[in-house]
Amino acid sequence: SQKIEQNSEALNIQEGKTATLTCNYTNYSPAYLQWYRQDPGRGPVFLLLIRENEKEKRKERLKVTFDTTLKQSLFHITASQPADSATYLCALPNTGNQFYFGTGTSLTVIP
Amino acid sequence: GAVVSQHPSRVICKSGTSVKIECRSLDFQATTMFWYRQFPKQSLMLMATSNEGSKATYEQGVEKDKFLINHASLTLSTLTVTSAHPEDSSFYICSASQGSSYNSPLHFGNGTRLTVT
Repeated sequence: SQKIEQNSEALNIQEGKTATLTCNYTNYSPAYLQWYRQDPGRGPVFLLLIRENEKEKRKERLKVTFDTTLKQSLFHITASQPADSATYLCALPNTGNQFYFGTGTSLTVIP
Repeated sequence: GAVVSQHPSRVICKSGTSVKIECRSLDFQATTMFWYRQFPKQSLMLMATSNEGSKATYEQGVEKDKFLINHASLTLSTLTVTSAHPEDSSFYICSASQGSSYNSPLHFGNGTRLTVT
């Protein structure tokens, strides 16, 4: 069965540094991958989508890479800010707009 | 942007009672909505896919008679937790996709924190 793993530990970084989050998957070959942000007690919010034929995607301070050989996506936040503190989820598509979600990585940006 | 409204945000009920949670797409029509359950520090677990005008599709291990789903219109899906027990206490989240494209992002409600005493 499909398996999605994200950084198992919470990630703490200093403000201004680049945060890098990892999403690894097995037994699966997705055509695309999505990243979401979730704040405590709230529903996830869509951030970025990257397709299998795209190596890299950027949106403001966010950058996502997708390596289908390694079966891995990296999510980068440059010039991190305390407001970036949240849980970040990667999601891979199933049939009919369903998604498998990773376990999430809790990011804390320390001022 | 697409907005999904979920109500109530919090509910406390006594064991044995039923609770209804509403999920509305405010500015778009959603033929399909999804219901998830999330335990603390865990990921979203898909419970069921709600299809407008037809029966919901439940994931393996989810009791359809306990978690009743109704999708009566293109903008409203409801999840009813019947005969709730303390182990049903959780964070329930709905989502919908605005577009018909296979890679359209999901728009989530803000979730419902259910506590069964």
